[in-house]
Amino acid sequence: GQNIDQPTEMTATEGAIVQINCTYQTSGFNGLFWYQQHAGEAPTFLSYNVLDGLEEKGRFSSFLSRSKGYSYLLLKELQMKDSASYLCAVEDSNYQLIWGAGTKLIIKP
Amino acid sequence: DAMVIQNPRYQVTQFGKPVTLSCSQTLNHNVMYWYQQKSSQAPKLLFHYYDKDFNNEADTPDNFQSRRPNTSFCFLDIRSPGLGDAAMYLCATSTTLGQSYEQYFGPGTRLTVT
Repeated sequence: GQNIDQPTEMTATEGAIVQINCTYQTSGFNGLFWYQQHAGEAPTFLSYNVLDGLEEKGRFSSFLSRSKGYSYLLLKELQMKDSASYLCAVEDSNYQLIWGAGTKLIIKP
Repeated sequence: DAMVIQNPRYQVTQFGKPVTLSCSQTLNHNVMYWYQQKSSQAPKLLFHYYDKDFNNEADTPDNFQSRRPNTSFCFLDIRSPGLGDAAMYLCATSTTLGQSYEQYFGPGTRLTVT
């Protein structure tokens, strides 16, 4: 079966760095997405990785290792507004997104 | 601004009373999706359209139907809502013409069933 695993909840301190991990097992791979979702709102796109390595975009970076079926999202200089759920999603061989349940990130002052 | 619009944002319906949720997009994307998302769960794909080509997920209940009359609009019909259908319904679009299949989401419709 197809499976995306990520921690249910993480807590971090304002100004710090946090890494959210995602492991996946899917039928085929056409890319991995990270989305941010604030409570009661729709997901918004953060990053896309299709090749191994690190993609950096401002305070956010995303890493992919296809051989290990592993990705992480790195958030630096955390701000209170970063409190949200972070969803990992993998595009399978049919170009459909397989979604993780999301990691709820709590930022404390 | 080009966007995905969903109406209404909040919908209350009675048990068993049909309800229709609507989605429109100004992105001119050829792919549209309907997701159901319950609290602290992953979005669950109900349907998607490649242009007018309709694709029903195998585990989508028959109680859910969809229509896409043109590129810009898509509707989700719930024929006889049950209490278990209370959820956030998300419409999303993407294009097959770019380098990635990033999905753009509307703000969602939160459905309450009484």
